[in-house]
Amino acid sequence: AQSVSQHNHHVILSEAASLELGCNYSYGGTVNLFWYVQYPGQHLQLLLKYFSGDPLVKGIKGFEAEFIKSKFSFNLRKPSVQWSDTAEYFCAVNSGTDKLIFGTGTRLQVFP
Amino acid sequence: EADIYQTPRYLVIGTGKKITLECSQTMGHDKMYWYQQDPGMELHLIHYSYGVNSTEKGDLSSESTVSRIRTEHFPLTLESARPSHTSQYLCASSESGTGAYNEQFFGPGTRLTVL
Repeated sequence: AQSVSQHNHHVILSEAASLELGCNYSYGGTVNLFWYVQYPGQHLQLLLKYFSGDPLVKGIKGFEAEFIKSKFSFNLRKPSVQWSDTAEYFCAVNSGTDKLIFGTGTRLQVFP
Repeated sequence: EADIYQTPRYLVIGTGKKITLECSQTMGHDKMYWYQQDPGMELHLIHYSYGVNSTEKGDLSSESTVSRIRTEHFPLTLESARPSHTSQYLCASSESGTGAYNEQFFGPGTRLTVL
């Protein structure tokens, strides 16, 4: 069965620090990859997505993610975090069907 | 404004009660989904629908039922709530088709507590 692993459950950073959140998936075929973010009290919303082409994907608010097929990974990065990035981040995968498989999420806290 | 609405946002009820969680979308999407999420855990798909009169069970077994009589409306019902049903329920929708149309848009969720 497909699964998604997010290695960091809780990350605490100071403003301006660099961020990398890990995401690995288990599926050998073609995949679509997503990062969703949930800010406190708000809807889950799409941060970025990868379907094909350039494996380095840029999303909103300065986030980017790199798809490394050989490592089954889709790590999320941001060079300099802000207090407003405090949120929960979910990696998700589908294999061309309608079903999204989510990771357990990473809670990011950024302190001024 | 196109959006997804869920009501109620919070619900505390006693065991044995029948409840319906409402989900409506003005996105014009054909596909709709219900997810269950416990704190610190991944979202699990419990129901989905491709359109009117279409409903399917998701990967996580659930005692809830759903209906899709109108495109924009996808309510979830628990006939007899139990404490094990305590969770957050998220509704989502997406366009038809595959590939780029697989992006799902989420509602704010309903946090259910069964005493």
